[in-house]
Amino acid sequence: GQNIDQPTEMTATEGAIVQINCTYQTSGFNGLFWYQQHAGEAPTFLSYNVLDGLEEKGRFSSFLSRSKGYSYLLLKELQMKDSASYLCAVREDSGYALNFGKGTSLLVTP
Amino acid sequence: DSGVTQTPKHLITATGQRVTLRCSPRSGDLSVYWYQQSLDQGLQFLIQYYNGEERAKGNILERFSAQQFPDLHSELNLSSLELGDSALYFCASSPRYEDTQYFGPGTRLTVL
Repeated sequence: GQNIDQPTEMTATEGAIVQINCTYQTSGFNGLFWYQQHAGEAPTFLSYNVLDGLEEKGRFSSFLSRSKGYSYLLLKELQMKDSASYLCAVREDSGYALNFGKGTSLLVTP
Repeated sequence: DSGVTQTPKHLITATGQRVTLRCSPRSGDLSVYWYQQSLDQGLQFLIQYYNGEERAKGNILERFSAQQFPDLHSELNLSSLELGDSALYFCASSPRYEDTQYFGPGTRLTVL
């Protein structure tokens, strides 16, 4: 099984940068995913890391350290529409289903 | 729009009843996953199918079952419904089981 931890809530200001952390403990590892989910809507794919290091995609970047069981999602130039829940998910070696953390609810204020 | 479709969008039913949720994956995707999202548990994996065959099982209750048909659409059957089954049920699909999963809009089930 897996234990995935993320902060429950975060608040940041429009135009700023925010980092959402995720730590995990797993018996096997086959990739870490970040999804964005607005209330009542489907999760939408943001990023994927399987090797250590930083992956950058526009205003969003994701970092992974497998030895530390740690990832973060970095959001730059925050916009009001970035207010959403951000879900960290780990895929185990033994299967290809995703195990999700409970999500971090981000509120962007003017 | 991910290209994954789910019907119905909303479903309201009574305890003890049975319902069927339907999912059509993105064109070309062979793998289908079902997830349940409730307020207290977060997003939980239920079951996965790949090209018509069951591939992996998660925290799926014995009252729940699923199948994937030859045209690759999938159905999730929930029976003997309880109040605690009220949740959002998402379907996701991917081309192969090791690829990124894309989620459908979900079915909101309310059991009264």
